[in-house]
Amino acid sequence: ETGVTQTPRHLVMGMTNKKSLKCEQHLGHNAMYWYKQSAKKPLELMFVYNFKEQTENNSVPSRFSPECPNSSHLFLHLHTLQPEDSALYLCASSQESWGFGQPQHFGDGTRLSIL
Amino acid sequence: ELKVEQNPLFLSMQEGKNYTIYCNYSTTSDRLYWYRQDPGKSLESLFVLLSNGAVKQEGRLMASLDTKARLSTLHITAAVHDLSATYFCAVEETSGSRLTFGEGTQLTVNP
Repeated sequence: ETGVTQTPRHLVMGMTNKKSLKCEQHLGHNAMYWYKQSAKKPLELMFVYNFKEQTENNSVPSRFSPECPNSSHLFLHLHTLQPEDSALYLCASSQESWGFGQPQHFGDGTRLSIL
Repeated sequence: ELKVEQNPLFLSMQEGKNYTIYCNYSTTSDRLYWYRQDPGKSLESLFVLLSNGAVKQEGRLMASLDTKARLSTLHITAAVHDLSATYFCAVEETSGSRLTFGEGTQLTVNP
C-alpha cells in the first residue's frame, strides 16, 4: 500500500456541485499539505496542517475548504468551483512541517475537471 | 518572495549522453529538494540537500547545492530511457517557511 493515498483519482463536476477530495497517509507523519498543479505552472501550495492545526492558507478562495480530523486524514471540500479550478490536486505529508529538512511524500493526485 | 527557476524546461536527449539541469533561486536557503514525477503519478523524492557543497548520488543522477551561488544542479550520466520524467526542484527558505517549487524540467530520453 502506498504511503499517501488520494481518492478519487478522477473527478468531473459541474460548477454548482459539492464534492470532497480525500487524502490518507500511512507514514505516521504529523504534517499534511494540499497543492494545486496546473499545466505549465509550478506547484501551488494551498493549505498546510501540522498536528491537525491549519498553519497556512495560501490565499485560497473560500470555495475550497480543507478539513483535517486527525494527523492521518485530510479532506478538501469543493463548492461552486470555476473552470479555472480544473487541475491536478496533490496531497502530501511529512514528519513535521517546515524547517526540518525532510522531504514531503506525495499522493498520486486527483485530476479534477470542472464543466 | 522566493522565486525558483529551472532550466531547461524541456530536454530531449539520447541514451548514453550526459546532461545537467539547473535550479536557481532568489533568496537565502540551505535546504533544497529534487523530485521526480512520471506522467499520471505522484512526485517521488530523489534528493535532499541541506548544506552548502552537499552532493548526493543515486544511480545515474547526482545532485549538488551551492548556497552562495543559489544554485543546484541535477547531473544525468549516460542517460537511459527509464529516466524520462519531469524533474522538480523545490527550495525551503532558511527561515523555515513554505516550500517553493520550480516549474519542472520535462526530460525525454530517446533510444
